[in-house]
Amino acid sequence: DGGITQSPKYLFRKEGQNVTLSCEQNLNHDAMYWYRQDPGQGLRLIYYSQIVNDFQKGDIAEGYSVSREKKESFPLTVTSAQKNPTAFYLCASGTDRSPNSPLHFGNGTRLTVT
Amino acid sequence: AQSVTQLDSQVPVFEEAPVELRCNYSSSVSVYLFWYVQYPNQGLQLLLKYLSGSTLVESINGFEAEFNKSQTSFHLRKPSVHISDTAEYFCAVSDLSNFGNEKLTFGTGTRLTIIP
Repeated sequence: DGGITQSPKYLFRKEGQNVTLSCEQNLNHDAMYWYRQDPGQGLRLIYYSQIVNDFQKGDIAEGYSVSREKKESFPLTVTSAQKNPTAFYLCASGTDRSPNSPLHFGNGTRLTVT
Repeated sequence: AQSVTQLDSQVPVFEEAPVELRCNYSSSVSVYLFWYVQYPNQGLQLLLKYLSGSTLVESINGFEAEFNKSQTSFHLRKPSVHISDTAEYFCAVSDLSNFGNEKLTFGTGTRLTIIP
């Protein structure tokens, strides 16, 4: 079945360490997105990519970095500069800019930094 | 700029009772409206959307939402809920004139708990 795979499901890191979250899709979607979900705050866009080798900052990009070397993959690195990294991270993809093409989400990675 | 308000963070409902999850939006232009559902420990899935045409839209699992332009609302309803409806529900809005998924604004979510 086609879908989006995020790994790992749970991730624990010490403060000051960078950590990379994996996101892979086999839906042949051009666009990919990273969201952060915190209790009571809904989803906030971190970064997005409309095409390979190109990406843009979302609303809360500070302390994060991404790459898009392959269409299928859009890894997110949470750097030590992110002041409050503990959160649930969701990766999503979409076909094009049409509202008839909804976002498809992975099952998320829960990151805990202590 | 657009915004979405989901006033109810948690809604407990008895099984087989009706439910309404409220969503109000603010925008200076015409909008597209969406409801996404997040089951426990999963990502979000599109439940239904309003793009144009009939103001009442339905999902395959019995939910419906009505776009009310005068009240800037897009409330989600179901006449009889089931245990399997337990989830968090997110309302989202995007400007009609310059749509892109990256421009979606999500509400803070409403956690629906079904009581047996």
